[in-house]
Amino acid sequence: AQKVTQAQTEISVVEKEDVTLDCVYETRDTTYYLFWYKQPPSGELVFLIRRNSFDEQNEISGRYSWNFQKSTSSFNFTITASQVVDSAVYFCALSDRSQGGSEKLVFGKGTKLTVNP
Amino acid sequence: ETGVTQSPTHLIKTRGQQVTLRCSSQSGHNTVSWYQQALGQGPQFIFQYYREEENGRGNFPPRFSGLQFPNYSSELNVNALELDDSALYLCASSMGTQETQYFGPGTRLLVL
Repeated sequence: AQKVTQAQTEISVVEKEDVTLDCVYETRDTTYYLFWYKQPPSGELVFLIRRNSFDEQNEISGRYSWNFQKSTSSFNFTITASQVVDSAVYFCALSDRSQGGSEKLVFGKGTKLTVNP
Repeated sequence: ETGVTQSPTHLIKTRGQQVTLRCSSQSGHNTVSWYQQALGQGPQFIFQYYREEENGRGNFPPRFSGLQFPNYSSELNVNALELDDSALYLCASSMGTQETQYFGPGTRLLVL
């Protein structure tokens, strides 16, 4: 079965520090997708990235970067020069296509990031 | 904002009652997925709707049911509410059954 582990329950940093959120996954699928979502206190899950298992290139988007390592089944997320607005719960998710034509997301338990001024 | 809307935002029910939650998908999206998020946990997949039919289901009992309408909006119905049904219910829409899911703001349900 698909599984996502986010070992860090809570992280607290001071503004402008860099912070890395860890994500480790388990899957038997040869093709799969990995995601990161941000959940601010309002509750809405905000999509950040979707990565195909065949694409192991790291990705950078502004202050955000993602490191995908298939050999260690990890998909880590780094925020550079963190800001107070980055405070949220961040979820890593893995696609599960075991039910025919549908895709469900399997989420980790999330990492709560607090950025202090 | 994603363009996915949900109503109501908050709801309080008592055990044994029935509840209906609503979701309007983003323009151009034909697939709706529903998730339940208990406090302090990640979202759990309930089911997905595509072309007005259920297209995949998670480990939820039959008292969780849904509908999708021709305009792709959707409803989640829960019968015989239990205390453990208290959670944030999230709806996500996508351009297809295996495309990126974009979430709405959720409905917070409290069962007393």
